[in-house]
Amino acid sequence: GESVGLHLPTLSVQEGDNSIINCAYSNSASDYFIWYKQESGKGPQFIIDIRSNMDKRQGQRVTVLLNKTVKHLSLQIAATQPGDSAVYFCAENFWMDSSYKLIFGSGTRLLVRP
Amino acid sequence: DVKVTQSSRYLVKRTGEKVFLECVQDMDHENMFWYRQDPGLGLRLIYFSYDVKMKEKGDIPEGYSVSREKKERFSLILESASTNQTSMYLCASSYTGTEGNQPQHFGDGTRLSIL
Repeated sequence: GESVGLHLPTLSVQEGDNSIINCAYSNSASDYFIWYKQESGKGPQFIIDIRSNMDKRQGQRVTVLLNKTVKHLSLQIAATQPGDSAVYFCAENFWMDSSYKLIFGSGTRLLVRP
Repeated sequence: DVKVTQSSRYLVKRTGEKVFLECVQDMDHENMFWYRQDPGLGLRLIYFSYDVKMKEKGDIPEGYSVSREKKERFSLILESASTNQTSMYLCASSYTGTEGNQPQHFGDGTRLSIL
């Protein structure tokens, strides 16, 4: 079946460095993608989204890149801070069985070293 | 900011009990969702609703039901709780924009333990 996966389950970075979290998706019909951050004891928090008609979108300290040719999504965090430590999920959205489906990846844990 | 509020952060119930989990959103969103999150299994959709009085089964609806009597409130019901329903339950909401899909916004979850 269709699924969303992540290449790296845990990423450790030095404070101040840039972080890159990767995600592979398998459904070529997916037209909307979302990145979430989940801190311990909290629900997923929306970070940034991108539609399939774009290949790059920037937010505050974050950039999402979409490569539809290889079905790859990445989240770049600039100048990583201790508060960025969390689990990050990507999610893909596609139309199936008369409704939109949002499929979540399993998550990557980002650890920021002081 | 979108605010999705789940009534309980932690809940402990006994096997066979009927359990109600409540979720309220304050952004007039049409769409509401219930997920459970388990280690190694990620987020799985239980039920969702695109409008008041409307409900649709998600991927794992067995053992659950839902109620959407008002637009802002979406309740998850465990008809007869079992130990395999011990989990983190997450509620989310979103709106349907003219520009296309919109992100789902989540509450902080209810950690439910069934003894």
